Amino acid sequence: QQQVKQSPQSLIVQKGGISIINCAYENTAFDYFPWYQQFPGKGPALLIAIRPDVSEKKEGRFTISFNKSAKQFSLHIMDSQPGDSATYFCAARSLTGGGNKLTFGTGTQLKVEL
Amino acid sequence: DGGITQSPKYLFRKEGQNVTLSCEQNLNHDAMYWYRQDPGQGLRLIYYSQIVNDFQKGDIAEGYSVSREKKESFPLTVTSAQKNPTAFYLCASSMGGGNYYGYTFGSGTRLTVV
Repeated sequence: QQQVKQSPQSLIVQKGGISIINCAYENTAFDYFPWYQQFPGKGPALLIAIRPDVSEKKEGRFTISFNKSAKQFSLHIMDSQPGDSATYFCAARSLTGGGNKLTFGTGTQLKVEL
Repeated sequence: DGGITQSPKYLFRKEGQNVTLSCEQNLNHDAMYWYRQDPGQGLRLIYYSQIVNDFQKGDIAEGYSVSREKKESFPLTVTSAQKNPTAFYLCASSMGGGNYYGYTFGSGTRLTVV
């Protein structure tokens, strides 16, 4: 079964600090790796995404680092703010078997304290 | 504004009852998906549909049914065969094919068995 393993399950960071969330995968057919941010009672929203031919992508305070040989990727949130407190999901896309299917990690609950 | 509308926001089901969750999108997306979210388990795929009148089972389809009679609509029925239906249900849509686009999610329906 295709899996994406995400860690840590929860994370507390001081305001202004760096939040780091890690994900690992096994299936080499994955070809697109998005991150989603979810606030309580809401649906997830696309935050940032990367393709495996790129090792890093930065958008504002959010950076994805991708290590294709290790089959790992991570989200870094620089200068973390209380408004970043949310649940973050990594995901991986496969076109195998037809269809644009995302497999999600189990999520990381981030709390940014003042 | 374009988006995905899920209704109702909260739904209560009695034992042995079938209930239907609504999902409508006006994004002109070809593909639609249903995910179930439980604490600590991330998002798990129930069903997905790439085109009208066609759909495929996801990882946890047992006890659920769907239809895709219109491009805009992808309702999910939770049947009495689903023994543990209490969860947060998320509908999503995406462009078809291999484009590098993420999913757009609705705001979810929280189903509770009473």
